[in-house]
Amino acid sequence: DGGITQSPKYLFRKEGQNVTLSCEQNLNHDAMYWYRQDPGQGLRLIYYSQIVNDFQKGDIAEGYSVSREKKESFPLTVTSAQKNPTAFYLCASSIDRRQGRGRTGELFFGEGSRLTVL
Amino acid sequence: GQNIDQPTEMTATEGAIVQINCTYQTSGFNGLFWYQQHAGEAPTFLSYNVLDGLEEKGRFSSFLSRSKGYSYLLLKELQMKDSASYLCAVRWRSNDYKLSFGAGTTVTVRA
Repeated sequence: DGGITQSPKYLFRKEGQNVTLSCEQNLNHDAMYWYRQDPGQGLRLIYYSQIVNDFQKGDIAEGYSVSREKKESFPLTVTSAQKNPTAFYLCASSIDRRQGRGRTGELFFGEGSRLTVL
Repeated sequence: GQNIDQPTEMTATEGAIVQINCTYQTSGFNGLFWYQQHAGEAPTFLSYNVLDGLEEKGRFSSFLSRSKGYSYLLLKELQMKDSASYLCAVRWRSNDYKLSFGAGTTVTVRA
């Protein structure tokens, strides 16, 4: 079955450490996204990528980095520069967000990764 | 800005009906999605509206008024499993077609 796989599901990190969250999809989707979710707040976009070897900053990119070397993979690194990294991180993909019509902008989400900084 | 407003919490009884409202900025509007998210899980797609009117899908319906910048999600015949957060997400041409999410409405269904 096609889907999006995130790992790890739970991650603990000490302050000052970088961590990388994995996101893999076998839906053959062009676009991939990373969102952060905090209690009482909506999903906020960290980074997104429309195509391999290309990505753009979202609304809260500071302290994060990404790469898109393969269509299937879009890992997110939470660096020590991120001041408040404890959160629930969601990876998503869509067929083509630029079509601008129909449901093709629909996001398919992974199960999420919960990061806790100790 | 591109504020999306929805109530924080709603409570209803099993078997009842609940309506979750969502208001948004109309300029550049290009579609609205509703997602359901159970605690600690990924959001799942419920509905999509881009034209005015009602979209019905089983116990769930979604309505859109483009001129008013208003949508609602209607949950009928509530079941305990409907206890979840419901997210309103809007796509704007001016935001490069990316989805922006409201804070979500937590619905609690009581027996």
